[in-house]
Amino acid sequence: GENVEQHPSTLSVQEGDSAVIKCTYSDSASNYFPWYKQELGKGPQLIIDIRSNVGEKKDQRIAVTLNKTAKHFSLHITETQPEDSAVYFCAAGDTGGFKTIFGAGTRLFVKA
Amino acid sequence: KAGVTQTPRYLIKTRGQQVTLSCSPISGHRSVSWYQQTPGQGLQFLFEYFSETQRNKGNFPGRFSGRQFSNSRSEMNVSTLELGDSALYLCASGGTSGGTDTQYFGPGTRLTVL
Repeated sequence: GENVEQHPSTLSVQEGDSAVIKCTYSDSASNYFPWYKQELGKGPQLIIDIRSNVGEKKDQRIAVTLNKTAKHFSLHITETQPEDSAVYFCAAGDTGGFKTIFGAGTRLFVKA
Repeated sequence: KAGVTQTPRYLIKTRGQQVTLSCSPISGHRSVSWYQQTPGQGLQFLFEYFSETQRNKGNFPGRFSGRQFSNSRSEMNVSTLELGDSALYLCASGGTSGGTDTQYFGPGTRLTVL
């Protein structure tokens, strides 16, 4: 069945360093790849997304890359700050209907 | 613009009971999706409604059902509750933002089944 694998499950970095989270998906029909940040006690918050017609997208300190041939995509956070500490989820879906499959999540710790 | 709202935020029920959760999407959004989040299984897709019709469905038993009203508000119902149904239930509102379809989550309803 459809599946999204996410690595690593836990990531600890020093403040100011970069963090990279990687995901692979199985459904070749997927064309929408959002990333969410979830803080304790809150719902996931969309931080960036990418469609299958582009290979890279950047928004300030956050960037996503997509390789459709290899079916993998990555989240890059530069100049990490303690407030970046949270659980990050990647997802793959089809905007023809919002059936989005999520990765298992990455718990990011940014040490001051 | 107001975000996605979910009510109630917390619920405690006992096994065998049934429960109804409510979700109001962002104004103008016509898609509402429901997800179950547990520590062991992560975020799992339940179903998606668009213009009052179920458009997509995940792999959950028939005890989980939903509906969407003409104003796009949605309800999710779980009958004959089991201990394993304890979870955070998240609703996501989907619609066009800046020319592209995007999905936003509400704060969730924390359901505890005793």
